[in-house]
Amino acid sequence: DGGITQSPKYLFRKEGQNVTLSCEQNLNHDAMYWYRQDPGQGLRLIYYSQIVNDFQKGDIAEGYSVSREKKESFPLTVTSAQKNPTAFYLCASSDGPKTVAFFGQGTRLTVV
Amino acid sequence: QKEVEQDPGPLSVPEGAIVSLNCTYSNSAFQYFMWYRQYSRKGPELLMYTYSSGNKEDGRFTAQVDKSSKYISLFIRDSQPSDSATYLCAMISGGGNNRLAFGKGNQVVVIP
Repeated sequence: DGGITQSPKYLFRKEGQNVTLSCEQNLNHDAMYWYRQDPGQGLRLIYYSQIVNDFQKGDIAEGYSVSREKKESFPLTVTSAQKNPTAFYLCASSDGPKTVAFFGQGTRLTVV
Repeated sequence: QKEVEQDPGPLSVPEGAIVSLNCTYSNSAFQYFMWYRQYSRKGPELLMYTYSSGNKEDGRFTAQVDKSSKYISLFIRDSQPSDSATYLCAMISGGGNNRLAFGKGNQVVVIP
């Protein structure tokens, strides 16, 4: 089945640690995105990539980093510089400009 | 003014009622409009995708776009308890930028 796979579904992190969230897609989409979702805030764009080896900051990139070494993979690292990392993280992909985005099932990150 | 405004609700309706959701937007460059449904702790799934002003129907769902008023709507007929979810509107500009702009989401509860 084609789709977007995010792992793990739940993740716990101690304060001061970096953690990497995985996102893999087999839809052959060029563009991939990371969003953060908090209650009452909707989806906020962290980073996006329109092509392999290229990515741009979104609206809330501080404290996050990404890489796009392969078309199918777009991992997100939440660094210790992110002051409030507890949230629901969503990865998405799309086939290019003006096309819809398809989402993974999300990763719930909790800082303990 | 935010690019996309969506009343977060919640909206409670009895089973069988018509659910009416809407979003307003400020950027006249938006040309492509989507509605996503998101169940609790899951990723958003695409419900409707429209381009032109007017109505688009898919089963019990109707999406309406009024570009002159910068207003989009989603109607759910004969609502079912399984329609209980958060509904997010999203839109993309007609230019080369592929960034989606989301509303905050509207929580809907259908009471049996």
